[in-house]
Amino acid sequence: NTKITQSPRYLILGRANKSLECEQHLGHNAMYWYKQSAEKPPELMFLYNLKQLIRNETVPSRFIPECPDSSKLLLHISAVDPEDSAVYFCASSQSRVSNERLFFGHGTKLSVL
Amino acid sequence: GDKVKQSPSALSLQEGTNSALRCNFSIAATTVQWFLQNPRGSLINLFYLVPGTKENGRLKSAFDSKESYSTLHIRDAQLEDSGTYFCAAWNSNNRIFFGDGTQLVVKP
Repeated sequence: NTKITQSPRYLILGRANKSLECEQHLGHNAMYWYKQSAEKPPELMFLYNLKQLIRNETVPSRFIPECPDSSKLLLHISAVDPEDSAVYFCASSQSRVSNERLFFGHGTKLSVL
Repeated sequence: GDKVKQSPSALSLQEGTNSALRCNFSIAATTVQWFLQNPRGSLINLFYLVPGTKENGRLKSAFDSKESYSTLHIRDAQLEDSGTYFCAAWNSNNRIFFGDGTQLVVKP
């Protein structure tokens, strides 16, 4: 799926700060961050609609999202913990007002040393 | 998840055979999506359904909102069908719930 791009693809961190980036070229209004741990389904972290934070699930405060414009989404991570090792997916849908089809990026695999 | 129950949790198929995956919902699902997570980890859209059926090549999916279930039928399974299949259901509050997935292995 080249319509939702995420960077970096792989990330290996010690206790450092890093940002994940996502950009969608679908003209969608809603953007999401999901976390997928091994052998589990994706779990919603944050949902933005038209640059507004709509949903903020129970996520450690070291994860801070940012939506600089409606096509871009960032996830700032400070002082990562080993439990943060997972794949982080960006997703988008046309809107969050109606139940629109969800599209996922290819994910960023985070490995915490 | 407890709101979306997928079965079976794992499945092994011989190449060329047929099978069906199922999701039962304990929520009032309004729309359903099926995804394939391939061995590289990508989540691929397969179907997006309102109540009814859709077909795409060797795959066919149905969603019955009254009986609260959805199925995904795979015909003539191929090696590249291997991966984890997730169903996800939206409720009327615009929340999406994922099942725990079915791990499919297609063997030659």
